[in-house]
Amino acid sequence: QQQVKQSPQSLIVQKGGISIINCAYENTAFDYFPWYQQFPGKGPALLIAIRPDVSEKKEGRFTISFNKSAKQFSLHIMDSQPGDSATYFCAASSEGGKLIFGQGTELSVKP
Amino acid sequence: DAGVTQSPTHLIKTRGQHVTLRCSPISGHKSVSWYQQVLGQGPQFIFQYYEKEERGRGNFPDRFSARQFPNYSSELNVNALLLGDSALYLCASSFWGQETQYFGPGTRLLVL
Repeated sequence: QQQVKQSPQSLIVQKGGISIINCAYENTAFDYFPWYQQFPGKGPALLIAIRPDVSEKKEGRFTISFNKSAKQFSLHIMDSQPGDSATYFCAASSEGGKLIFGQGTELSVKP
Repeated sequence: DAGVTQSPTHLIKTRGQHVTLRCSPISGHKSVSWYQQVLGQGPQFIFQYYEKEERGRGNFPDRFSARQFPNYSSELNVNALLLGDSALYLCASSFWGQETQYFGPGTRLLVL
C-alpha cells in the first residue's frame, strides 16, 4: 500500500513533442505529490508538486494532472527539449514525512 | 543561498568496514532525511530527523544509524559494510511540517 508505481520505464520523444509520465498510488493518506528530475551523478531536483485538492498545476512547460478518484497523477512536459533528457521520479508523502518514490522514467529527447 | 551539501562526494570501502557520511541542510531547515538510491532505482527512505530526534525510520537493518547535531547537520553511519550497500546516499532537508524536501548531490559509496 506504500508503493508508487511509475510508467513507462523509458521514453523517447522527438524535440518539440510532449512527454507524458504516469504514476499510480494506493495509500489514500498521501497528501503531497512531487516530481523530481535527476541527471546522472546528481541528486534529484524538485520540478513541480501538487496536493490532492487541485486537479492540475502548471509551471512553465511542466504540468501535473491529478485524478484523486483514480489515485493517479501524471507529468506532462510540453515542447520537450534535448536538455530535458534525464530520469524523472514521481513521489508521494503524507504529513510531511518520508517520500515514497516511483521506479523512475528515463527520458530521452531526440533532436 | 547554498543548497544541501554532502561530504564526501565519493567513497570506496571494503566489506566489513564502517563509513560515516555527512550532510549540512539548507540554512533555516531543521529537518534532515536520508535516502539510499541503488543504481537504476528510486531513492529509498532510511531516516528522518528533526531537532536531533529520530522522527522516522525506513526498512533498513540496525547497521544503519544516524544522528543530528544542534546546528541541524547530520551524519549517517553504516557498520559492517556489505557489497549491497553500494549506492548513492542522498540527504534532503526541509522545514519541519512542510512537505518539500530539497536534495543534496549525494555521496557515491562503492563497497568492494
